[in-house]
Parts: sequence; C-alpha cells; structure tokens
Amino acid sequence: DAGVIQSPRHEVTEMGQEVTLRCKPISGHDYLFWYRQTMMRGLELLIYFNNNVPIDDSGMPEDRFSAKMPNASFSTLKIQPSEPRDSAVYFCASSLLAGGYSSTDTQYFGPGTRLTVL
Amino acid sequence: LAKTTQPISMDSYEGQEVNITCSHNNIATNDYITWYQQFPSQGPRFIIQGYKTKVTNEVASLFIPADRKSSTLSLPRVSLSDTAVYYCLVGPPEYNTDKLIFGTGTRLQVFP
Repeated sequence: DAGVIQSPRHEVTEMGQEVTLRCKPISGHDYLFWYRQTMMRGLELLIYFNNNVPIDDSGMPEDRFSAKMPNASFSTLKIQPSEPRDSAVYFCASSLLAGGYSSTDTQYFGPGTRLTVL
Repeated sequence: LAKTTQPISMDSYEGQEVNITCSHNNIATNDYITWYQQFPSQGPRFIIQGYKTKVTNEVASLFIPADRKSSTLSLPRVSLSDTAVYYCLVGPPEYNTDKLIFGTGTRLQVFP
C-alpha cells in the first residue's frame, strides 16, 4: 500500500484565497483524521471521520474551515477565506479501528501539506 | 482529560541511552500510554504503547511505574537517525477530540 497520500505537498497562497487540501487514506481504513501542526501549538486534531461521517469537529478552529469525505478513499479540508495565521503543516491520518492508542491499530500519517498564507 | 508533561527538548550523543519521561498525574484507569515519533518533514508514527510495567519492542522500551502517573521512553544507543520529536499520549481506546492532543512533544537532537 502507498500509505496515506496528501496533495499538494506545498501550497502558497494569498490572504483571502480559498485553499483545498486533499487526502487519500489507506484502503480499508475506517477512520480518517485531519491535524494541524505549528511550532507554537504542536500537533492538534481538527476533525475525524468514521466511515465517511464526521464524528467530532470540535477541533476545527472556526467557520472558515470545513472538511468533507464524499467516499471512503477521499477527503478534503477547505479553508475559505484563508488568513496568514492558518499557515501550518496539515496532516491527514487514517486508522483501521478506533485506535491510535493501540499497538495493533495505530494512526498512519501522510507526509503533510505545508501551507503558507501570505 | 489526562494531560501530559514532557521536556521540550533533549540533547544526546550517538551511542548513548536516552530516557524521556512523561508525567500524567491524572491518568484514568482505562487509559493507555502511547508514544509517537516524528521525523522532520514527516508525519508522526507509532513507536510503542503500554498500560503498566515494562514494554519492549525493536525500537524502544517503555517503563511504567505501579502508580502509572509517569512513564519513561527509553531509546538504547541512539544514532543520528533518532533525531526526532517524541510525543507522549494518554487516553482510552475510544476516540474523543479532547484526548487526541499531541502537544509540542520532546525534541531530541542526537549529535555525532
């Protein structure tokens, strides 16, 4: 398996523009997670899906952020309008079960998308 | 929520043993202790998990005292490639957004 795939790897945009980040989870994984990482706040969970259904989006910073999972093999995280403070690395991860804390079911992370908002 | 506290950074030299301690005074009975490792420009990856006593795998050892209020990740004879950020997480098997907080982790720098 190719692992979790994210695109683009780097994104530079101007304030006010719409940004769409994409993720393809590992085939067969039922859970998908979106994280944001900054130097100041570390790695934060934004939202996660189970079987394509959003379970908890309380980590989403504000209404400018939205995430969708139209099918089991694709998810998007959209920021509209983008702001400089959104600059961060955004990771997508997937897992087979409700794990992360289990040695037999860990979260597998993608390479991340480095977003820079000017 | 079982908050965790770990050092912001640590330095070591190749060949030395590195021990990173994580405090989790409010750990709950059904919480597990899990460590992730993140190399530069990559996403985190699971390295070890335990509930009590000692766990060892090909990458590291995890020591958990009887009161479970802390845990220590031990990396034997580190090499330059062990330079990474190490995250300590504490939580139950089921998900809850509040519990999935990686925080800033411990940044380990290994020198030649």
